[in-house]
Amino acid sequence: AQKVTQAQTEISVVEKEDVTLDCVYETRDTTYYLFWYKQPPSGELVFLIRRNSFDEQNEISGRYSWNFQKSTSSFNFTITASQVVDSAVYFCALKGSGGSNYKLTFGKGTLLTVNP
Amino acid sequence: NAGVTQTPKFRVLKTGQSMTLLCAQDMNHEYMYWYRQDPGMGLRLIHYSVGEGTTAKGEVPDGYNVSRLKKQNFLLGLESAAPSQTSVYFCASSTLGTGDMWPQHFGDGTRLSIL
Repeated sequence: AQKVTQAQTEISVVEKEDVTLDCVYETRDTTYYLFWYKQPPSGELVFLIRRNSFDEQNEISGRYSWNFQKSTSSFNFTITASQVVDSAVYFCALKGSGGSNYKLTFGKGTLLTVNP
Repeated sequence: NAGVTQTPKFRVLKTGQSMTLLCAQDMNHEYMYWYRQDPGMGLRLIHYSVGEGTTAKGEVPDGYNVSRLKKQNFLLGLESAAPSQTSVYFCASSTLGTGDMWPQHFGDGTRLSIL
């Protein structure tokens, strides 16, 4: 069975602070894919990043960066110099390659509030 | 290019009423999905389809039925709505193949309230 755990239910920071959202996953598949999605207050789901299990390079995109560590089964997301527009619910998700390769398993999400 | 379109966006039902949510995608995707989102629960898969004419149960299928008569459409039905089905419903679609060809493309959601 696959599982994604986002232990932080809610995080509140002040603008310009750095913030890290944690994601820990469980899977028996040797090939798998990890995703982060953003859900702003308007409600739509916005794709942020995809990482496959063979690529452990960290990625940076502007103020966003992702740290993938297979040894600890974690795929953490850091926002540098947070802004009010970053306020949203963030979901980590996992896609396997075996019998469950058709679907995404989502974590419960982390509500990030960035205060001015 | 509309992507994934869900109809309606909002609906209020009385307990026991029935309704159908429509999802349409214009990306020629093989896979389609229905999720529900509840506070503190993330997104949970209700039903999915791997191709026209096929459907399968997800994690929380009870109380729902689905149909995929056309490749581009995936319908979610509530035969006898219950207050526990008050939720936000998301439809998604994706290609076949490896995860490198993903992500799933999501609709904007349908907010459904059952009184």
